[in-house]
Amino acid sequence: QKEVEQNSGPLSVPEGAIASLNCTYSDRGSQSFFWYRQYSGKSPELIMSIYSNGDKEDGRFTAQLNKASQYVSLLIRDSQPSDSATYLCAVLRTNAGKSTFGDGTTLTVKP
Amino acid sequence: GAVVSQHPSWVICKSGTSVKIECRSLDFQATTMFWYRQFPKQSLMLMATSNEGSKATYEQGVEKDKFLINHASLTLSTLTVTSAHPEDSSFYICSAVQANLAKNIQYFGAGTRLSVL
Repeated sequence: QKEVEQNSGPLSVPEGAIASLNCTYSDRGSQSFFWYRQYSGKSPELIMSIYSNGDKEDGRFTAQLNKASQYVSLLIRDSQPSDSATYLCAVLRTNAGKSTFGDGTTLTVKP
Repeated sequence: GAVVSQHPSWVICKSGTSVKIECRSLDFQATTMFWYRQFPKQSLMLMATSNEGSKATYEQGVEKDKFLINHASLTLSTLTVTSAHPEDSSFYICSAVQANLAKNIQYFGAGTRLSVL
């Protein structure tokens, strides 16, 4: 079992819809959770971080964390074609020094 | 967010030559930097963890004599691909973690695309 699991996709949604990206992790000691966006041929870019249970909203993005279920998700509202990218979930155990990345989910938003 | 500069962004070299890639944290001090490699349409692969003033920690299967890492200051880490061969052609990405922040957010450089002829 991988430490951080994501559906590889591709996930395809129409423009204007809500895209839902999911991530599960195996280490219950994980304390910090991140979502990165990676466009094709580019490096990852941090879009959200979340540290406590519940929802965290930033513009069209909402991260949701449920530590009991070891589950973190990213919702993208009003999806745009420019949101088409691979989304990486990263999980950090406090004092581990490095995050563990999932393999990413590829999202395609169709006009 | 914090800025990580990576240079060069693209390099083409002949087989057998060595290539140095620099990673700088521009507006923060980085106790730890990471080096990743990514092949087309594949996942990020962590190569090594670089800590300022100490030897890098390499992931299993990564040749430390092939990929030399130096983290001489809190703002600079370098990766040298020695005697590069076509199979070393890849996208190399560094990231840095800001010191003195418990949240340990990794900020990525723009990456270096290496092509070995």
